[in-house]
Amino acid sequence: EVQLVQSGAEVKKPGESLKISCEASGYTFPSYWIAWVRQMPGKGLECMGIIYPGDSETRYSPSFQGQVTMSADKSSSTAYLQWSSLKTSDTAMYFCAREGGRFWGQGTLVTVSS
Amino acid sequence: QPVLTQPPSASGTPGQRVSISCSASSSDIGTHTVNWYQHLPGTAPKLLIYSNNQRPSGVPDRFSGSKSGTSASLAISGLQSEDEADYYCAIWDDSLNDPWVFGGGTKLTVL
Repeated sequence: EVQLVQSGAEVKKPGESLKISCEASGYTFPSYWIAWVRQMPGKGLECMGIIYPGDSETRYSPSFQGQVTMSADKSSSTAYLQWSSLKTSDTAMYFCAREGGRFWGQGTLVTVSS
Repeated sequence: QPVLTQPPSASGTPGQRVSISCSASSSDIGTHTVNWYQHLPGTAPKLLIYSNNQRPSGVPDRFSGSKSGTSASLAISGLQSEDEADYYCAIWDDSLNDPWVFGGGTKLTVL
């Protein structure tokens, strides 16, 4: 059974760093793109970018280029999304999904507030 | 990069058939297939339709998808209260700079 399990909710202050995770199981992790999707409060779904764990090739959606960093660790079948300096506008639910969106993580709520 | 436009809201009564449209800004959509997702607040989105009109196993046949030209549609027949959710169309193409483009979403209300 394919599963994507994300790390738990985070509460951070502006300027802090953060790395959230998405652990995959039930399939060959290196062989499928993983996407990160943001949903801001009351808004729709936005793809932040995708990463191919096989060679760590990344494609950042234009709105998110330079704002976040995606990475993947084949040894632990885990994808990561990180921020170096959070802003209050980063407050959102973040989902990981396998390419095409057949399988999704449960979401990680990130709250950034002073 | 295509932009996908959906109506912000739709509604219907139990048992009715409703349709949600997804219009692309360019003819690029002609070379891509469209997926549809159902999203209930606080849960992960669920794939309803892939490749324009294919249902994953477990999705009731009340849900159907179609595509013609630069538009796609999701139809829900025999509307049920549990169908009240947000619905998104999307195109996936990992060769694009913007690899997964979502429509703005349609809030479906079951009256």
